[in-house]
Order: sequence, then C-alpha cells, then structure tokens
Amino acid sequence: GAVVSQHPSRVICKSGTSVKIECRSLDFQATTMFWYRQFPKKSLMLMATSNEGSKATYEQGVEKDKFLINHASLTLSTLTVTSAHPEDSSFYICSASPLAEPSTDTQYFGPGTRLTVL
Amino acid sequence: AQTVTQSQPEMSVQEAETVTLSCTYDTSESDYYLFWYKQPPSRQMILVIRQEAYKQQNATENRFSVNFQKAAKSFSLKISDSQLGDAAMYFCAYWNYGGSQGNLIFGKGTKLSVKP
Repeated sequence: GAVVSQHPSRVICKSGTSVKIECRSLDFQATTMFWYRQFPKKSLMLMATSNEGSKATYEQGVEKDKFLINHASLTLSTLTVTSAHPEDSSFYICSASPLAEPSTDTQYFGPGTRLTVL
Repeated sequence: AQTVTQSQPEMSVQEAETVTLSCTYDTSESDYYLFWYKQPPSRQMILVIRQEAYKQQNATENRFSVNFQKAAKSFSLKISDSQLGDAAMYFCAYWNYGGSQGNLIFGKGTKLSVKP
C-alpha cells in the first residue's frame, strides 16, 4: 500500500517551453502533497506544499509563477514548470500524506521525474 | 529552526555485518516524528522506519532498528545482517507534529556501500 506514481519519469524539453509533471497517490487519498527538488548528490529541498482544493504554499525563494501547482483531487497534484530554462534541469520528487490514520504524518514518495532543459 | 545533521557522508559495511548510521537533530518541540528514508540508485525514496517522539520504545522493522535518545536528540539507524540491496543513500528526516505540513526536514544523507 501507499504507492505514489509520477509521470513522466523523465522529460527533455527546449528552453522556453512548459512541462507538466503529474503526481498520483494510487491506493490512498491524500489531502496534502509535496513537491521537492533534488540536485545531484544533494538532499531534497521542499518547493511547495499543496492541499486539495486550495492554493499551494511555496517555500521561500521558490517562484510561484514559474512552478505552478494544481491539486485537483485527493489523488492528483500537478507541477508545471513554465518557460523552462536550463537551470531548471533537476530531479523533481513528489510525496503524499494519507488522509486516513495511522499514517497521516508519513510522506510516501513518488519515483521522481528527471527534467532536462536544453 | 529545526535542523537535522548526518555527520557521516559515506559509510561502508561488509555483507552480513552490522552498521550504524548517525543522525542528530535540533528542535525545541516535544511532539514530532523522525524518519529514515532510503534512496537507492533508482532515486525512489523508500520509507525505512518511523519513530514517534512520545514513544520511548525504539522502532524496529525487521533488520532495521533505531536508537532514539530524545534527551540527546539523537536518532541512529542500525542495519543488521547487511545485504547488497541495502546499498543506498540514507536520509534522516524530522517532522514537527502540528507544524506547517510539509515541514519534513532532511539531513544531507549518508551514502552506504555494502561490500560482498
């Protein structure tokens, strides 16, 4: 149980284009989903927290107009990187916390999406 | 602000032996959760073990156990009978119960190698 999927697993795009990454909780409902960014050989950096039906909460330094987050349902959150540039190339990971006890405090992670912007 | 420190960037263990990964954290809160996550080369973050701060008993999950010392703010992970599949990056993480959701704070990670 507690499986989170991400799509696509890797994407290559041209500079200036937009890329959408989907995060789905497959076997549980999640009121809250999280988006992280991980640079090579580094730890995870929280970008934003999204709650179903409300606006995402962005961490300091993360451009909300560049990284658009939509949490449309209790099982789906999307991250759109708008007008991507090479410096946006990174590994993006989502996670989700189950709505139901006893694991509401635990985050389960998706497999990540490798974004390369040419 | 809460911080998580993993002082061992890399560790190595012989197959079938035991290894302990260190983690310390700093917080003024009394209610929180601590986690160890494993990130193999596939980059998939996998939950290894979870500890509630209010519980004195150390969490165990098969070959994985923790030594939780609340007063010392220490949360080490012991891997017994190490297997080749245990080779991965291990991240210690802290979550403040009742704090802003998403406040899962990670250490910088420890890269574990397992020698056959």
